[in-house]
Amino acid sequence: EVQLLESGGGLVQPGGSLRLSCAASGFTFSKHAMSWVRQAPGKGLEWVSVISANSGSTYYANSVKGRFAIFRDNSKNMLSLQMNSLRAEDTAVYYCAKQALAGPGWLDPWGQGTLVTVSS
Amino acid sequence: DIQMTQSPSFVSASVGDRVTITCRASQGINNWLAWFQQKPGKAPKLLIYAASSLQSGVPSRFSGSGSGTDFTLTISSLQPEDFATYYCQQANSFPRTFGQGTKVEIK
Repeated sequence: EVQLLESGGGLVQPGGSLRLSCAASGFTFSKHAMSWVRQAPGKGLEWVSVISANSGSTYYANSVKGRFAIFRDNSKNMLSLQMNSLRAEDTAVYYCAKQALAGPGWLDPWGQGTLVTVSS
Repeated sequence: DIQMTQSPSFVSASVGDRVTITCRASQGINNWLAWFQQKPGKAPKLLIYAASSLQSGVPSRFSGSGSGTDFTLTISSLQPEDFATYYCQQANSFPRTFGQGTKVEIK
């Protein structure tokens, strides 16, 4: 069974940094691209970033470009999101999601999410 | 960026009703569209991919159609467990983008 377990969320002050992690199991992690998607409280879904299986390609939403960095460690089956210069509008539940091998990489499944709150 | 617009934003329906949700892309995305279901406090779940392909384990009352810019998710006979929020997402280009969501509530 595929399992994705996010961690690292919490309360951080504006301008601060936080690193999220996503521990993967139940599939060959090194073969799949992985994504982060977030959801602000009471709002819709916002795609954040994607990293290819071999870390050769990364893409970011315009709202986080230059502040967030996605990376992975295939030896540890771990996906990470380094978030710097955090703003109040980054407050959200952050989900990691596995991308299918076929097609453009459909997001399935998703982890349970970790809450990031940016506030003074 | 490709904008995804869902309609309606809110649907009030009864068990057994047929429900249709539409999603329009601001430019052509071929059939690179997915539909997700999200229940309160839970992670989204993939229902439909490539516009019309049913994800494994998803009941056959869910179906998707469309290509290019206009897409539809249909629930043929609404069940109590289907009351949730539904999102479309384009996978044609980066950045990936989602529709704003359609909440399906009990009438």
